Amino acid sequence: DVKVTQSSRYLVKRTGEKVFLECVQDMDHENMFWYRQDPGLGLRLIYFSYDVKMKEKGDIPEGYSVSREKKERFSLILESASTNQTSMYLCASSHPNEQFFGPGTRLTVL
Amino acid sequence: KQEVTQIPAALSVPEGENLVLNCSFTDSAIYNLQWFRQDPGKGLTSLLLIQSSQREQTSGRLNASLDKSSGRSTLYIAASQPGDSATYLCAVRTRTTSGTYKYIFGTGTRLKVLA
Repeated sequence: DVKVTQSSRYLVKRTGEKVFLECVQDMDHENMFWYRQDPGLGLRLIYFSYDVKMKEKGDIPEGYSVSREKKERFSLILESASTNQTSMYLCASSHPNEQFFGPGTRLTVL
Repeated sequence: KQEVTQIPAALSVPEGENLVLNCSFTDSAIYNLQWFRQDPGKGLTSLLLIQSSQREQTSGRLNASLDKSSGRSTLYIAASQPGDSATYLCAVRTRTTSGTYKYIFGTGTRLKVLA
């Protein structure tokens, strides 16, 4: 079975902090994705990566950056967290067509 | 720009009913469509994947159909059970302007099956 894990289920941070969200997949998938999910807005794509060190902006990249140094790991970085980044963050991987999701990280920025 | 819509947003049915969830998309140039289930506070679980060349896929009590030309997919759940209560989302795989691929999600249908 494909397994996608995320470093934290719940996270509470202060405004202005630098936040790292980690995602690891164990199936050698090329593609990895970061989404945020908010009530009424559904899942929105922040960034995705189709290979090591390759990344592409999604629909809402502002305020975020990503890093993919190894194939199995895709990190989402909030350079300076703000209250409007309070959300559920979901990581996914795919190869070639089907997406598999991690359990999500509920981030609260105070 | 591809848009994915799911109607209704919420649905309550008595246990044992057969039901249909709808997903529509505006651009028929999709590569596949995937149905997911999401329990409260959890990640998404893949239910069914339909390639663009396929008309339907089945898994147990679930059957998903795809009509690309009309921009529609349906998820049929037979003999619904309280354990089916969850939010159901559909997503289409589509090509980006840079030649890569991404997925666009509907906002989901929240299903409640009453015992």
